[in-house]
Amino acid sequence: GAVVSQHPSWVICKSGTSVKIECRSLDFQATTMFWYRQFPKQSLMLMATSNEGSKATYEQGVEKDKFLINHASLTLSTLTVTSAHPEDSSFYICSARDRDRGDEQYFGPGTRLTVT
Amino acid sequence: GDSVTQMEGPVTLSEEAFLTINCTYTATGYPSLFWYVQYPGEGLQLLLKATKADDKGSNKGFEATYRKETTSFHLEKGSVQVSDSAVYFCALTYSGTASKLTFGTGTRLQVTL
Repeated sequence: GAVVSQHPSWVICKSGTSVKIECRSLDFQATTMFWYRQFPKQSLMLMATSNEGSKATYEQGVEKDKFLINHASLTLSTLTVTSAHPEDSSFYICSARDRDRGDEQYFGPGTRLTVT
Repeated sequence: GDSVTQMEGPVTLSEEAFLTINCTYTATGYPSLFWYVQYPGEGLQLLLKATKADDKGSNKGFEATYRKETTSFHLEKGSVQVSDSAVYFCALTYSGTASKLTFGTGTRLQVTL
C-alpha cells in the first residue's frame, strides 16, 4: 500500500510553454502533498507544501506564479511550470502524507523535465 | 534551523564489505529520523526510520540507531550487495500535519564485484 504515482515520467517542452505534472496517491488519502526539485547529484529541495482545498505554501525563493500548485482532491495534486525556461529543467518529485500513518511521506517516482 | 549532514560520497565498496554512512543532525526539538534510498532513475523509497532516542530502525539488512547524545543516525549494513548501489539520504521531520522533511545532501554508494 501507500503508492504515489506521477505523470508524466518525463517530458520535453519548448521554452515559453507550460507543462503540468500530476501527482496521485493511489491507495490512500493524502491531506498533504509536497513538491521537491532535485538537481543532478544533489539533494531534494522542497518547493512547496500543499494541503487539500487550500493554497500551497511556497518555500523562500520559489516563485509561486511560475510554479502553480493545485491540490484539488485528497488524491491529486498538480504542479504547472509556466513559461518554462531551460533553467527549469530538473527532476521534480512529489510526496504525499497519509493522515492515518503519522509522519511518513510516500514519494512518487519523479518527473524529468527538459526545456529546450 | 534544522539541518542534516551526511558524509560525502561516493562510497565505493566491494561486495560483502561492511557499510557505514554517517549522518548527524541539528534540531531544535525531537524529530523523527529517516533513511531514504534512491535507485538510478527512480524516486525515493523509505528504507528505515526511528521516531525517538535509542530506537533502532532496520530493513533489508540495513540498520540505524537514533543516538540523541551524539545527534547521529548512522546507516550500517554488514554485507553489501551490488544491488545496494544507490544514493542514500538521511532526513528528519517533526510530528504534525504540515511536517516537512529536511534532507541531507545524499551519499552515493557504488558496490562492485
